[in-house]
Amino acid sequence: GQNIDQPTEMTATEGAIVQINCTYQTSGFNGLFWYQQHAGEAPTFLSYNVLDGLEEKGRFSSFLSRSKGYSYLLLKELQMKDSASYLCAVMDSNYQLIWGAGTKLIIKP
Amino acid sequence: GAVVSQHPSRVICKSGTSVKIECRSLDFQATTMFWYRQFPKQSLMLMATSNEGSKATYEQGVEKDKFLINHASLTLSTLTVTSAHPEDSSFYICSALSGLNSYEQYFGPGTRLTVT
Repeated sequence: GQNIDQPTEMTATEGAIVQINCTYQTSGFNGLFWYQQHAGEAPTFLSYNVLDGLEEKGRFSSFLSRSKGYSYLLLKELQMKDSASYLCAVMDSNYQLIWGAGTKLIIKP
Repeated sequence: GAVVSQHPSRVICKSGTSVKIECRSLDFQATTMFWYRQFPKQSLMLMATSNEGSKATYEQGVEKDKFLINHASLTLSTLTVTSAHPEDSSFYICSALSGLNSYEQYFGPGTRLTVT
């Protein structure tokens, strides 16, 4: 079966760095996405990785290792507004998105 | 960036009635739109894939006669929840694929449906 695993909840301090991991087992691979979702709102796109390596975009970076079925989202200089759920999703061979359950990130002052 | 709107944002209806939710791509043509459902503290669940001008493709376990999807134009898809029941109460989100970067989905703001 297809499976996306990510931690349920993480806590970090304002100004610090946090890494949210995602492992996946899917039927084929056509890219991995990270989305941010605030409570009661729709997800917003953060990043897309299809090749191995690190993609940096401002305070957010996303890493992919296809051989390990592994990705992480790195958030630097954490701000209170970064408190949200972070969803990992993989596009399978049928170009369908398989979603993880999301990681709730709590930022403390 | 591409913008997707949904209407209404919140709706409360009585059990047994039907509710229509609209999803519009405002500044791009979306040949494909997706409808998701999200329960509290759970991941998004794909309900159906909607292609303009053709019948929607429903995911296993989703009742096509209960969740009617129409994609009549390149900028509008509608989801109608028929004979709603309290267990249909949920957050419904649509997304659309932009032709410029077809792997990136743009999400609507979601519709909170409460069935009393």
